[in-house]
Amino acid sequence: GAVVSQHPSRVICKSGTSVKIECRSLDFQATTMFWYRQFPKKSLMLMATSNEGSKATYEQGVEKDKFLINHASLTLSTLTVTSAHPEDSSFYICSLAGPYQETQYFGPGTRLLVL
Amino acid sequence: AQSVTQLDSQVPVFEEAPVELRCNYSSSVSVYLFWYVQYPNQGLQLLLKYLSGSTLVKGINGFEAEFNKSQTSFHLRKPSVHISDTAEYFCAVSEGTSYDKVIFGPGTSLSVIP
Repeated sequence: GAVVSQHPSRVICKSGTSVKIECRSLDFQATTMFWYRQFPKKSLMLMATSNEGSKATYEQGVEKDKFLINHASLTLSTLTVTSAHPEDSSFYICSLAGPYQETQYFGPGTRLLVL
Repeated sequence: AQSVTQLDSQVPVFEEAPVELRCNYSSSVSVYLFWYVQYPNQGLQLLLKYLSGSTLVKGINGFEAEFNKSQTSFHLRKPSVHISDTAEYFCAVSEGTSYDKVIFGPGTSLSVIP
């Protein structure tokens, strides 16, 4: 299957700072990228969907000004958590879809802890 | 709208015993179905998927699942579990292509008892 990387794998930051998480496709062109959030011992909740070169589509209840998504190229999408607060602490996972791919491929996740 | 139900939030089972993790879905269109496993503090790993064709799907680590359209189910089975199978298991559904969003079930925590 395809290889997806996320960076950083874990990050600790102070409340009020912004954090950028990268999601990269290493071996295929990802025309669509998805960002998920997972709270401890909970399931994954889709936050937003982005297509390369277009604005992201956010799920209901997700603040687009708080979670900025940039899908600037076919191999890179970034999620920026702006002015992070402790309640933003979570596990963030991206997944990628592209031509000739039967299914999406998930990244290994980024664990964010806001103090 | 699609949804996924995993009725069992926790399943304890003795080592070498068989296990079945239940999954039911609802959708108004044809679907793709998936089972993912998540080990503690790790990302998701695809166990198996149903896209079309044979309703019995075999995956990695000795797992298999059967798609039952009439019962809208996709239960996961393994004939003999190992300690290393202890993990969280998620059933998921999407509406037909890799470009469609994937909806996850709430997860089932499988605990294998030595």
